[in-house]
Amino acid sequence: SAVISQKPSRDICQRGTSLTIQCQVDSQVTMMFWYRQQPGQSLTLIATANQGSEATYESGFVIDKFPISRPNLTFSTLTVSNMSPEDSSIYLCSAAQAGTNYGYTFGSGTRLTVV
Amino acid sequence: QKEVEQDPGPLSVPEGAIVSLNCTYSNSAFQYFMWYRQYSRKGPELLMYTYSSGNKEDGRFTAQVDKSSKYISLFIRDSQPSDSATYLCAMSVNQGGKLIFGQGTELSVKP
Repeated sequence: SAVISQKPSRDICQRGTSLTIQCQVDSQVTMMFWYRQQPGQSLTLIATANQGSEATYESGFVIDKFPISRPNLTFSTLTVSNMSPEDSSIYLCSAAQAGTNYGYTFGSGTRLTVV
Repeated sequence: QKEVEQDPGPLSVPEGAIVSLNCTYSNSAFQYFMWYRQYSRKGPELLMYTYSSGNKEDGRFTAQVDKSSKYISLFIRDSQPSDSATYLCAMSVNQGGKLIFGQGTELSVKP
């Protein structure tokens, strides 16, 4: 299965600023996803990052707040824009290869604190 | 009602015990079922991957899927302190499609 490198691993940011999180996969994958995990909670899907086209967002998440890029089959970024303390969370990148039984691999996450 | 329900625990067992973790779901279209283990401050790690109904065994871990009851289980035999983590069930309709997670069960195995 794929190995994912995600950075930064953690950051403390001022409210009103933006942070871009990078996700690099060691092999080409068809599917990439971005999740949010709030403290003590499960994972909530933010969006599916589509290669070469706009991301597909889940209910409650919008492109203006969480712009996503996926320029190729191994790399994606998630930006958390105009941050507020409510955005403090762990953000996780995931990758999967459609048509295989390898399941989904996750990065180690970005722990974001907004002050 | 959430699509996937999982008892959050926490669950505490003595070393060597058999652990049973469970999830129920409401969407009958789910076909792919997974169990992840997540250690503190780490990303989820895939433990078991099952398609449709049936059992799958891997070492001390056994995953069961009962689609008729919309119920999945993970059994851990001879539990070890290193098994202490949060266990998340997850499922999808399509292979490589979006994954829906349960809330996660926090497990503690005491020496």
